[in-house]
Amino acid sequence: EDQVTQSPEALRLQEGESSSLNCSYTVSGLRGLFWYRQDPGKGPEFLFTLYSAGEEKEKERLKATLTKKESFLHITAPKPEDSATYLCAVNTGFQKLVFGTGTRLLVSP
Amino acid sequence: DTEVTQTPKHLVMGMTNKKSLKCEQHMGHRAMYWYKQKAKKPPELMFVYSYEKLSINESVPSRFSPECPNSSLLNLHLHALQPEDSALYLCASSQPTGDGYTFGSGTRLTVV
Repeated sequence: EDQVTQSPEALRLQEGESSSLNCSYTVSGLRGLFWYRQDPGKGPEFLFTLYSAGEEKEKERLKATLTKKESFLHITAPKPEDSATYLCAVNTGFQKLVFGTGTRLLVSP
Repeated sequence: DTEVTQTPKHLVMGMTNKKSLKCEQHMGHRAMYWYKQKAKKPPELMFVYSYEKLSINESVPSRFSPECPNSSLLNLHLHALQPEDSALYLCASSQPTGDGYTFGSGTRLTVV
């Protein structure tokens, strides 16, 4: 069965304190791994798609990497506005995203 | 245009009411989706339309009825809902391969 696990469940950082979020996956076939940011009561906002091991993508303070078993979302020098839930999801090729349970990030000033 | 637009943003309905949620995209995507999300949980897939045809129904109760009038529009018709159906309902669209999977901002539904 396809499975996506995110850790930690919650993370509290001080402003400027860099860290990483983890997404590990066990799927029959990977057709893309997605990272989304979600604010309370809003829809998931697309951040990145990664397709193959070794791929990396960056956007402002965020950098996503992919290996054959997991993906990391690195947050460099976070700001309070980076506080949100970060969702990882895998496309196994059947048009259905398999989501992890998310990491709730809180960045304090 | 890289947006998926959902209306209304908020909806309160009684258990005997009939209402509809609407979703629109102009990205040329030929796959469209309805997801349901409860608080502090990830989105759960309800329906998939591919080339305007229903391709996946995740055993959703018949009180939820999807409709895809054309390649840009997706509706979700609601009838005789229960309070436990209260949730954030998300529409998404993508290429049929799953590329470009984009979500709308959601409709917050409350059933009273």
